[in-house]
Amino acid sequence: DTGVSQDPRHKITKRGQNVTFRCDPISEHNRLYWYRQTLGQGPEFLTYFQNEAQLEKSRLLSDRFSAERPKGSFSTLEIQRTEQGDSAMYLCASSRGDSYEQYFGPGTRLTVT
Amino acid sequence: KQEVTQIPAALSVPEGENLVLNCSFTDSAIYNLQWFRQDPGKGLTSLLLIQSSQREQTSGRLNASLDKSSGRSTLYIAASQPGDSATYLCAVRNTNAGKSTFGDGTTLTVKP
Repeated sequence: DTGVSQDPRHKITKRGQNVTFRCDPISEHNRLYWYRQTLGQGPEFLTYFQNEAQLEKSRLLSDRFSAERPKGSFSTLEIQRTEQGDSAMYLCASSRGDSYEQYFGPGTRLTVT
Repeated sequence: KQEVTQIPAALSVPEGENLVLNCSFTDSAIYNLQWFRQDPGKGLTSLLLIQSSQREQTSGRLNASLDKSSGRSTLYIAASQPGDSATYLCAVRNTNAGKSTFGDGTTLTVKP
């Protein structure tokens, strides 16, 4: 396994711009999760995919946020009209099988100026 | 709604000491509990996963226990080393799908 990868690792954007992040899960992991983490806090769940189906979304995921996982492989998380409160680390994780052990990527740090 | 608490928020110990990190959760109907390590500015590294039917898991110098009835898990680190310095997070999953609920972590500093 090559591990979960995320791109970009860092993103600085101006308020009001749109940003898109990509996550490549461990191959053959059918479940993919997005979390958001702010300084000093634990990760907060955003959304979850099983294969290509988005099965759960947090109320944190406002209508400015959208996530996709076409063909059940990589996933993208898009934030439209970014706000300063969106500044955070966006973490992706994947899992498979009955254990649901989650493996995390390195994260994408978003700074909205 | 599941709530997960980790106390203390920070812990500093001398090298070589054995230590215990605590994780408490409010809803005991859990599916599994996972302990992670996070270095500053990095992603999370999985340490141990305990299924709801298990009482403990061990990996090297780490031992995690689970007591569902009291809503507690502990992570025991034996013979601590400076390289163990990191933030340790626990995550509780209540169903076989979707979200895990994380605590805010305990930041451990092991002094040489």
